[in-house]
Amino acid sequence: GQNIDQPTEMTATEGAIVQINCTYQTSGFNGLFWYQQHAGEAPTFLSYNVLDGLEEKGRFSSFLSRSKGYSYLLLKELQMKDSASYLCAVKDSNYQLIWGAGTKLIIKP
Amino acid sequence: SAVISQKPSRDICQRGTSLTIQCQVDSQVTMMFWYRQQPGQSLTLIATANQGSEATYESGFVIDKFPISRPNLTFSTLTVSNMSPEDSSIYLCSVDRAENTEAFFGQGTRLTVV
Repeated sequence: GQNIDQPTEMTATEGAIVQINCTYQTSGFNGLFWYQQHAGEAPTFLSYNVLDGLEEKGRFSSFLSRSKGYSYLLLKELQMKDSASYLCAVKDSNYQLIWGAGTKLIIKP
Repeated sequence: SAVISQKPSRDICQRGTSLTIQCQVDSQVTMMFWYRQQPGQSLTLIATANQGSEATYESGFVIDKFPISRPNLTFSTLTVSNMSPEDSSIYLCSVDRAENTEAFFGQGTRLTVV
């Protein structure tokens, strides 16, 4: 079966750095996506990785290792507004998105 | 990018009734997707709405319960039929412009069945 694992919940301090990990086992791989979802809202796109390595976009970076089936989302200079759920998703061989359960990130002052 | 207008944003419905959710996209897209997201959980794909053909349903979802229309390349509806409290959830429509691009989402419909 297809599976995406990420921690259920993480807590971090305002101004700090946090890394959210995602491991996946899918039938084929056509890219990995990270989304942010605030409570009661729709997911919004953060990043896309299809090749190994680090993609940096402002305070957010995402890393991919296809051989390890592993990705992480790195959030720097955390702000209170970063409190949200972070969803990892992979496109499989049919280009269908397979979603992780999401990581709820709690930012404390 | 794609801008998706989804409505209603929320509704409270009586059990046994049906609700139709609409999604309008600002440009033509080949495929539209309907998801359900129960509280604290991730997205579960209900079906893929194809223009000009029947929707493709995922395991556990059937057309009689979740009929879908896709009359053109910018619009789709999802109906939740004969509702029960277990159908209380957030329903989201989504589009993909191409195989290697991100998905965009409507604002979601928060459904409560009483």
